[in-house]
Amino acid sequence: QSVLTQAPSVSGAPGQRVTISCTGSSSNIGAGYDVHWYQQVPGTAPKLLIYGHSNRPSGVPDRFSGSKSGTSASLAITGLQAEDEADYYCQSYDSSLSGVVFGGGTKLTVL
Amino acid sequence: QVQLVESGGGVVQPGGSLRLSCAASGFRFNGYGMHWVRQAPGKGLEWVAYISTDGINKYYADSMKGRFTISRDNSKNTLSLQVNSLRTEDTAVYYCARDRRGWCVESWGQGTLVTVPS
Repeated sequence: QSVLTQAPSVSGAPGQRVTISCTGSSSNIGAGYDVHWYQQVPGTAPKLLIYGHSNRPSGVPDRFSGSKSGTSASLAITGLQAEDEADYYCQSYDSSLSGVVFGGGTKLTVL
Repeated sequence: QVQLVESGGGVVQPGGSLRLSCAASGFRFNGYGMHWVRQAPGKGLEWVAYISTDGINKYYADSMKGRFTISRDNSKNTLSLQVNSLRTEDTAVYYCARDRRGWCVESWGQGTLVTVPS
């Protein structure tokens, strides 16, 4: 059971918009710790997609955006493309555990 | 560019030990905290440990405390993870990763597979 909760799967057609949510608690997201998002194409290493709730590293398309509210965070992907099909993980820091915590991951299928 | 290359994985019998290494290049190694993160086959990401720039501060996931030891050699730009008393549930790809401020796992290596057969 992951400390951060994500839906196991989400899907959308090319060109559509999808959102992936990440629910935490008062000891992690709700405590003000940054939320980060990673994309992992099967068989490859994860890649940082969003850091500090809503910032994109160089090279990440602006189709990807992040937000945070209360004890939850969301990743939005607009203009879905086939290459976006991957697993997406949220991550934060938990003060009760004194360490990094990940969500269980959400598998995005592009129909 | 940032390069992180893990090595040391393999098949280890239950109860055995293993030392994973990560060779870092392309950045000032002693200026960054470092993480180990693992991923069991078909499962999600699981944080293992973090070490500060100078190697003094170390943090572990609760389930890793006692059997896992993270260390670094800044003179050799190398990160290590010693794992003792290996269990079947330790079977995973182990990733070395560079920290960004805010406990963000910024850059990842390609991973090294550790298999502990039942």
